[in-house]
Amino acid sequence: ILNVEQSPQSLHVQEGDSTNFTCSFPSSNFYALHWYRWETAKSPEALFVMTLNGDEKKKGRISATLNTKEGYSYLYIKGSQPEDSATYLCALSGSARQLTFGSGTQLTVLP
Amino acid sequence: ETGVTQTPRHLVMGMTNKKSLKCEQHLGHNAMYWYKQSAKKPLELMFVYSLEERVENNSVPSRFSPECPNSSHLFLHLHTLQPEDSALYLCASSRVQGPQQPQHFGDGTRLSIL
Repeated sequence: ILNVEQSPQSLHVQEGDSTNFTCSFPSSNFYALHWYRWETAKSPEALFVMTLNGDEKKKGRISATLNTKEGYSYLYIKGSQPEDSATYLCALSGSARQLTFGSGTQLTVLP
Repeated sequence: ETGVTQTPRHLVMGMTNKKSLKCEQHLGHNAMYWYKQSAKKPLELMFVYSLEERVENNSVPSRFSPECPNSSHLFLHLHTLQPEDSALYLCASSRVQGPQQPQHFGDGTRLSIL
């Protein structure tokens, strides 16, 4: 059973602030790491799929990095906006080829 | 626009009832999934279907019975559920089953067991 930890559990930032949060996972048995964005009353939306150590992906103001050797990924949001408020989920795909999700980081961006 | 549609959005049922959750995807995907999210817990995978064949069953109680009649439709049949089965049930699909495949989720069915 894979253990995927996300921190912090929740986060409040002011509009315009940049922020980041962490996903930690066991570094062995790694195939891919997924980030999803889940707005309230909507469906989770895929942001990134990362597979290589040192990978860095970017989508607008959101970017993510991956360190498979030490077992962590960071998600960064630059210049947070109220519409960025959501729960950000990290999920690990191991040898079983199924996704194991973390509990998420709930981000609230205050206007 | 999600591409994955789940019905109903909300369901309240008694422990002796039988009901079904429906999921439909219009993305041409070949893999479909059922997930459960209980309060304050991470998303848990329940079932995986690839090309209409079940490939994963994560020790889910037999009171949950999945059905995948074709690659576009997935059902979750429910019978004699327990109060602890109250949760959000999410359906997802991906182009194929694989570790690098992003999954597309529906909006979920919020299930309450009385």
